[in-house]
Amino acid sequence: DQQVKQNSPSLSVQEGRISILNCDYTNSMFDYFLWYKKYPAEGPTFLISISSIKDKNEDGRFTVFLNKSAKHLSLHIVPSQPGDSAVYFCAVQYYGGSQGNLIFGKGTKLSVKP
Amino acid sequence: DAGVTQSPTHLIKTRGQHVTLRCSPISGHKSVSWYQQVLGQGPQFIFQYYEKEERGRGNFPDRFSARQFPNYSSELNVNALLLGDSALYLCASSPWTSGSDEQFFGPGTRLTVL
Repeated sequence: DQQVKQNSPSLSVQEGRISILNCDYTNSMFDYFLWYKKYPAEGPTFLISISSIKDKNEDGRFTVFLNKSAKHLSLHIVPSQPGDSAVYFCAVQYYGGSQGNLIFGKGTKLSVKP
Repeated sequence: DAGVTQSPTHLIKTRGQHVTLRCSPISGHKSVSWYQQVLGQGPQFIFQYYEKEERGRGNFPDRFSARQFPNYSSELNVNALLLGDSALYLCASSPWTSGSDEQFFGPGTRLTVL
């Protein structure tokens, strides 16, 4: 069973508008949540993270929201730019556990059209 | 500063053969993790090493093994290759200074098993 689900394989957004990427997880023990971005032929690049003690974290155009009761997190990109076109992966982790043990979703391919 | 490097970038093997993949972490990083990413899926955790010791292992068969050297570089070995081992193999390094350090990924090694 998938522990981390990204139910939208793809998302298309117009430049300048908001992109919202969603992620659901199954285990309430997860306490650290991350978003990675991946371009073709490159490894995933860390984008933004949030711990379970917070419900929002902002970094420039990127904001991650965490709803622990719903076991849901989302990534908002405002405004979206064509360079944001990539595959976005949601990942979860047990805080203080094996740091290498990131559990990833299947990814959402974001296309930002000029 | 150099990022995480992996070699080779591409590799073609036949079923039953053995393969060794190599990873050099970012200077100063003592932890290395390996992930397998098959087409259409997110990266899946294989191993984590810290200070030359295995600190975590994912749900992979014993055909998969790894080690970390005194200079913190790492090798991933896969024996008796199967067609299903065809994937992008990603290496990630982190400094391991707190419970949830950001992981920095290399570009990956694309393994094709024929």
